Amino acid sequence: GDSVTQMEGPVTLSEEAFLTINCTYTATGYPSLFWYVQYPGEGLQLLLKATKADDKGSNKGFEATYRKETTSFHLEKGSVQVSDSAVYFCALNRDDKIIFGKGTRLHILP
Amino acid sequence: DAGVIQSPRHEVTEMGQEVTLRCKPISGHDYLFWYRQTMMQGLELLVYFNNKAVMDDSGMPKDRFSAKMPNASFSTLKIQPSEPRDSAVYFCASSPPGEGKETQYFGPGTRLLVL
Repeated sequence: GDSVTQMEGPVTLSEEAFLTINCTYTATGYPSLFWYVQYPGEGLQLLLKATKADDKGSNKGFEATYRKETTSFHLEKGSVQVSDSAVYFCALNRDDKIIFGKGTRLHILP
Repeated sequence: DAGVIQSPRHEVTEMGQEVTLRCKPISGHDYLFWYRQTMMQGLELLVYFNNKAVMDDSGMPKDRFSAKMPNASFSTLKIQPSEPRDSAVYFCASSPPGEGKETQYFGPGTRLLVL
C-alpha cells in the first residue's frame, strides 16, 4: 500500500545551520505531498504542500520539491532557528485520507 | 476563528474504566478525523467521518473503541473498557469540504494515561 518513509531522528543542529530532512514515498498514481510540523504540546499543522511533479512547496523559509523520478520530497531550510525545534511529518494523500510518516524530531541549539 | 477544540486536554484513569474524548471541529468543515499518537507507532488514523457518516474505521479496535458524530459540530471517541496500552495522545482534526485529503486542521490533543 501507499506509504511514507522519512529519516529517523532526532536531528540536532546549531542555529543558522542548513537543514535537510529526507522523505521518500511509495504510492500508486500521483498523490499530493505534504510536510506537517508539530510544535511541543500542540497538534500538527500544515507547513507546505506540492500537488504535482516538479512543484515546489514553500513556507516560513522551508522548501520541498516533488521529485517523481526519485519518489522524494525532502524538506530543506537554509538557516534554521531555535524556534524551528519541532517534529516534522512527511505525508501523502490517498482517497480522503492523509498518510503520515513516523516523524523526525529536530533540535536546534542556540 | 476558533480552531478544533478537544476536551479534556489530559485524562488519567484506571484500567477498566470508560473514557470519553470530545471534539468540536471548525465550523463549516465536513470531514472529521480521529488519530492516536504514540512513540512506538507514530500517528495512526483510527476513524474518519464525512458529513457525519463514518467513512473508514478500519484503524479502530472495535471491541473497545467507538466513535460517533451526532451532529456537524460534535464528535466523541469512547474507550470501554480502557487498557494501559491505550495510553497515548489522541488528536481530532477537521477539513473543509473537498479538502479531506489536502489540508487537515488539528486540535491540541488529549493526553490519555491508563493506569
